[in-house]
Amino acid sequence: ELKVEQNPLFLSMQEGKNYTIYCNYSTTSDRLYWYRQDPGKSLESLFVLLSNGAVKQEGRLMASLDTKARLSTLHITAAVHDLSATYFCAAFTGNQFYFGTGTSLTVIP
Amino acid sequence: GAVVSQHPSWVICKSGTSVKIECRSLDFQATTMFWYRQFPKQSLMLMATSNEGSKATYEQGVEKDKFLINHASLTLSTLTVTSAHPEDSSFYICSARDFQGRSQPQHFGDGTRLSIL
Repeated sequence: ELKVEQNPLFLSMQEGKNYTIYCNYSTTSDRLYWYRQDPGKSLESLFVLLSNGAVKQEGRLMASLDTKARLSTLHITAAVHDLSATYFCAAFTGNQFYFGTGTSLTVIP
Repeated sequence: GAVVSQHPSWVICKSGTSVKIECRSLDFQATTMFWYRQFPKQSLMLMATSNEGSKATYEQGVEKDKFLINHASLTLSTLTVTSAHPEDSSFYICSARDFQGRSQPQHFGDGTRLSIL
């Protein structure tokens, strides 16, 4: 079974700082997704990464995928309070999502 | 874009009652739907895969007699938590498989917060 690990689990960062969340998966995956979840809410799709070397950017978030290393990263640039949420990566293979453990991000003014 | 509607969004009920949660795909046909459970500050755990017109496939450790799944049409799947107890309190999220969705293979509902007193 495909296993997906994220780190860190908890992240507290100051506004304006940069940081990276890491997502490792154990076996080959068709695609890699990043989601955001606000408290009490469902998942909001952020990025889908389809191939090795894929890089996607939206605002202060940038996601990348290295299929050889089985690693995806979500980089946060100049964090702002609105980015506080829980972020999940998910590997999709065999018609099923395998979710990471999640990273709870708190941006401090 | 594709939309999945989940109802109710929030339910509180007494221990021992049964609760039904609906998941509808509004603008596409979903032959396959998925039910997830999420405990506070934890990740989503797949409970079962629901296939239209056939029995659901349950993940290991999920009681099929406790969590009844019915997928009677191409746009509706229901999850019934039977004889619910406080330990069943959780956030339940459904998703619908969109075979036409090239980049987004699944669309998630808004979730149902279930609280058993």
